[in-house]
Amino acid sequence: GAVVSQHPSRVICKSGTSVKIECRSLDFQATTMFWYRQFPKQSLMLMATSNEGSKATYEQGVEKDKFLINHASLTLSTLTVTSAHPEDSSFYICSSARDRNYEQYFGPGTRLTVT
Amino acid sequence: AQSVTQLDSQVPVFEEAPVELRCNYSSSVSVYLFWYVQYPNQGLQLLLKYLSGSTLVKGINGFEAEFNKSQTSFHLRKPSVHISDTAEYFCAVIPMDSNYQLIWGAGTKLIIKP
Repeated sequence: GAVVSQHPSRVICKSGTSVKIECRSLDFQATTMFWYRQFPKQSLMLMATSNEGSKATYEQGVEKDKFLINHASLTLSTLTVTSAHPEDSSFYICSSARDRNYEQYFGPGTRLTVT
Repeated sequence: AQSVTQLDSQVPVFEEAPVELRCNYSSSVSVYLFWYVQYPNQGLQLLLKYLSGSTLVKGINGFEAEFNKSQTSFHLRKPSVHISDTAEYFCAVIPMDSNYQLIWGAGTKLIIKP
């Protein structure tokens, strides 16, 4: 149990376009979902925390108008990178958490390349 | 504020040798502790966690970790490593007063030499 999927696994887009990444918890209801960004050979950087049905809480320095997060249901969260630029190229990882479990379940990640 | 320090960015070790990956944390509140592993080009997988109870925690793939509250440490150990253990290992904590938000260490790359 506790499987989290991400789609797509890899995406290449042109500068100026928008890209949507989906994160699904397949076999449980996630009360909280997290979006991370990981630069090469570095740890994960938390971008935002979202609870179902409410607005996401963004970390300092993360542009909420550029990285749009929608947590429409207990099993689905989406991250949209708007007007992508080459510096947005990165590995994006989502995770889901259940109440009183204190464990996050991670998706396999999405490699975004902006050309 | 909380922080997690992984003292070694890389740890090279020969196959079948023991290994210890070090993790120290700083927090004004009690924390839950975790070790995650990331294999090349993959997402993260939970190795083990400490929430309460016995301070020696056993995880998957033969790994174990010991919580030492006085030294604020949670070092990860394995008595005999294999080539397949080559990966990045991340130590993380969740402060008990937070919204499940993980505070991450910088990671330690475990390099297994044949």
